[in-house]
Amino acid sequence: RKEVEQDPGPFNVPEGATVAFNCTYSNSASQSFFWYRQDCRKEPKLLMSVYSSGNEDGRFTAQLNRASQYISLLIRDSKLSDSATYLCVVNDGAAGNKLTFGGGTRVLVKP
Amino acid sequence: DVKVTQSSRYLVKRTGEKVFLECVQDMDHENMFWYRQDPGLGLRLIYFSYDVKMKEKGDIPEGYSVSREKKERFSLILESASTNQTSMYLCASKGDLNTEAFFGQGTRLTVV
Repeated sequence: RKEVEQDPGPFNVPEGATVAFNCTYSNSASQSFFWYRQDCRKEPKLLMSVYSSGNEDGRFTAQLNRASQYISLLIRDSKLSDSATYLCVVNDGAAGNKLTFGGGTRVLVKP
Repeated sequence: DVKVTQSSRYLVKRTGEKVFLECVQDMDHENMFWYRQDPGLGLRLIYFSYDVKMKEKGDIPEGYSVSREKKERFSLILESASTNQTSMYLCASKGDLNTEAFFGQGTRLTVV
């Protein structure tokens, strides 16, 4: 079983719609969690950190469920510019703060 | 502005060559990482370093080595390049536990 798993998609989303997807992780000792966005042929960039209480940044909402070991990302009022691959990242907190990436979820927003 | 800089965007090397990929960060981060990214396989950790001269194997260290002589620089070395090492290589650096990682722009390496 992979340490961090995501549905690869693609999620085809009409412009203006809401889309949500999850990421599961296997290490119950994981300390911190992030969502990154990666555009085609570019490096990943931080979208948002994921806090225990859940957090929102504009149209984006991230949730953490420690009991079930998953995090989620919800995008409201999707824009064409939201088309990208969304990477789930888990930090296990050990020496070196090892980061483990999910395989990414591809989102395509269409007019 | 935060910066992680990789020495090359594109490289073409021959099988058997020794290849050096350089990464420099200006954020005084302790932690630095090398990943490779391949279609369908996502980002896979090759090596990471949590301090000068310290290194830890990641998930796929075979065929690679690393060097961290100075805090700001983390080098990835392909001792004898092979065609299956053709990939996108991404360097990242990171501070404390709950802080984000910053990536370089990536090096697309082709081994022929």
